[in-house]
Amino acid sequence: QSALTQPASVSGSPGQSITISCTGTGSDVGGYNYVSWYQHHPGRAPKVMIYEVNNRPSGVSNRFSGSKSGNTASLTISGLQAEDEADYYCSSYASGSTEVFGTGTKVTVL
Amino acid sequence: QVQLVESGGGVVQPGKSLRLSCAASGVPYGTSDTHWVRQAPGKGLEWVAVLYYYGNKDRYADSVKGRFTISRDNSKNTVYLQMYGLRAEDTAVYYCASPSGYYSPYAFDIWGQGTVVTVSS
Repeated sequence: QSALTQPASVSGSPGQSITISCTGTGSDVGGYNYVSWYQHHPGRAPKVMIYEVNNRPSGVSNRFSGSKSGNTASLTISGLQAEDEADYYCSSYASGSTEVFGTGTKVTVL
Repeated sequence: QVQLVESGGGVVQPGKSLRLSCAASGVPYGTSDTHWVRQAPGKGLEWVAVLYYYGNKDRYADSVKGRFTISRDNSKNTVYLQMYGLRAEDTAVYYCASPSGYYSPYAFDIWGQGTVVTVSS
């Protein structure tokens, strides 16, 4: 049950696109299409932005998109906006009917 | 819309026990899986445990296995996290979270506001 690996920080200017990677193993990310991405502002509950690799819940901007290749999933935020500044976590269903989160990425809008 | 409300957090000495509650309100919560997720100060989110409704199956993170127990009381629409042998490293904000059923069984679109557990002598 090792945490999925994410870059500690990613930054971009307003309007730019950024991509956050999430690397796991064949027992989690690579083995299932149950990767989710969460946006977390300090002091608030996390919010799901992407589920099952590349699906957006109702109300989430289409600037957010997800993908997966092998053991690595990615979250892309296009048209970066100030309100996107937050911590982002990936998570995956894992073998043994467990879940695992990523290490988290702090997104800074320059 | 289901809402989750955690309670039971507080300050506890190392080695002691504490029970957290996650109460669901809104519509009946009968068939939802419930997870506990925590965030230690300055750290990231960590999945802790799940109670799957069908089969009443429970699973735990290695870091809490053998010390934490998850259970539910359907009559009270409440899920519990019983924590034994608490350690300083268990200090965290504890969230309960569930899939609503609209999206994915493994995506948490319903979260509580969190309850703070501090393990300190």
